[in-house]
Formats: sequence, structure tokens, C-alpha cells
Amino acid sequence: SQQGEEDPQALSIQEGENATMNCSYKTSINNLQWYRQNSGRGLVHLILIRSNEREKHSGRLRVTLDTSKKSSSLLITASRAADTASYFCATDSLPSTGANNLFFGTGTRLTVIP
Amino acid sequence: GAVVSQHPSRVICKSGTSVKIECRSLDFQATTMFWYRQFPKQSLMLMATSNEGSKATYEQGVEKDKFLINHASLTLSTLTVTSAHPEDSSFYICSARDIQANGYTFGSGTRLTVV
Repeated sequence: SQQGEEDPQALSIQEGENATMNCSYKTSINNLQWYRQNSGRGLVHLILIRSNEREKHSGRLRVTLDTSKKSSSLLITASRAADTASYFCATDSLPSTGANNLFFGTGTRLTVIP
Repeated sequence: GAVVSQHPSRVICKSGTSVKIECRSLDFQATTMFWYRQFPKQSLMLMATSNEGSKATYEQGVEKDKFLINHASLTLSTLTVTSAHPEDSSFYICSARDIQANGYTFGSGTRLTVV
């Protein structure tokens, strides 16, 4: 399976604290993306980091990528109750069939307590 | 930005019937679209890659005769769940790759319940 794994599976923090989620994957990648999903809804793209990048920032989000360890982390700083959602990493792998596609990690369920 | 419209958002059908789900790219052309299935509290699993004008590529374990995919135009892909069974109840999500933007845009998902 090309599916990645995330940890923790669930994370509960107080508003204002930082939340860190980790993702490990198995194959060589073009890039790695992080998505957010509110319960029963579609996915919202948060940030993309390319295989030749090591760190990327977007607002309160910070993503790191270590291709030697095949791992990535997502840090959400100064969390808010509205950040409560499931977060998925997804790897955009080198094409084997001629078409790129995304393979998703197992997800982290984040709960931010007001 | 790129928008993907997915319909219906919810559908309830009887066992044995077929259900069609549509995925449209509204402001860009998508030669490739993807269909995912998500069970409660689980991740998205890629079912198939839909290619405009050609046959879809199915992931291992996905029955192509049960999940019919048609991608007849650059803006529309459909997934038909044929002879639906209760175990097909799930959340189905499509996505399209916007080549120019080098990104993926997801539909809002379809909650299928087979009774």
C-alpha cells in the first residue's frame, strides 16, 4: 500500500497551544501536501511542499519535509477552536502509470478546546 | 481559484439500484480526475483515476464493473455505483488536477447510504 501514516491519530489541545502532526510515507515523491477536512465535508488544501524543499510557512502553518526519513510534520501555531478538524498528509508520487495522483495518510483528528 | 463541483452531496438508495455521482471542474479543464472513498473516521482511499477520452485506471481491489467511471469531456467525470449494497455506503470524493496551477482541487463529497 502507498498509504502513509500519521501520528498521532488524535490530538487534543487547549486554544492558544501549538499542534504538531507527523506524517511518514513510503515512496519517492514529487511533493507532499497537507489537507484539512471538517467532519463530513470535502478537503481543503492547506500547503504544498516540494521534494527539494525542507521547510515552508503559510500563516500559522509550518511544514517540514525530510526526504531521507520519508517524513513530514505540520505545525499549527496559536491554535484556535476553529482549527478543530481532521488533517491529512498526501503524497504526490512519481508517476508510474503516466498520471500523478495523491495518496493520503491515515489522518490526525485535532480537537482544540476553547 | 479552481473549483470542483460534486453532486449530489447526499443520496439514499435502495439495495440493487444504481447511483451516479458527478464531478465537474468549473473553471479549468481537467484531463485527469480522481475518485476516492472514505469510510467513517478513516482516510481517503484512491479508487480510480479517470482519464478524459480513455478508460479509467482502477486501484487494486476496486471492481471496475461495479464502479463505472466515465470521463467524456474535459470538465466532467461521473462515477456510477451499480447494484449498490449496504457495504457500499460511504463518503465518495472526487478531485481534479489543475495542470496550470499544479494543484489538486477536491469536490465537497457525496454521502451515499444504501438501505
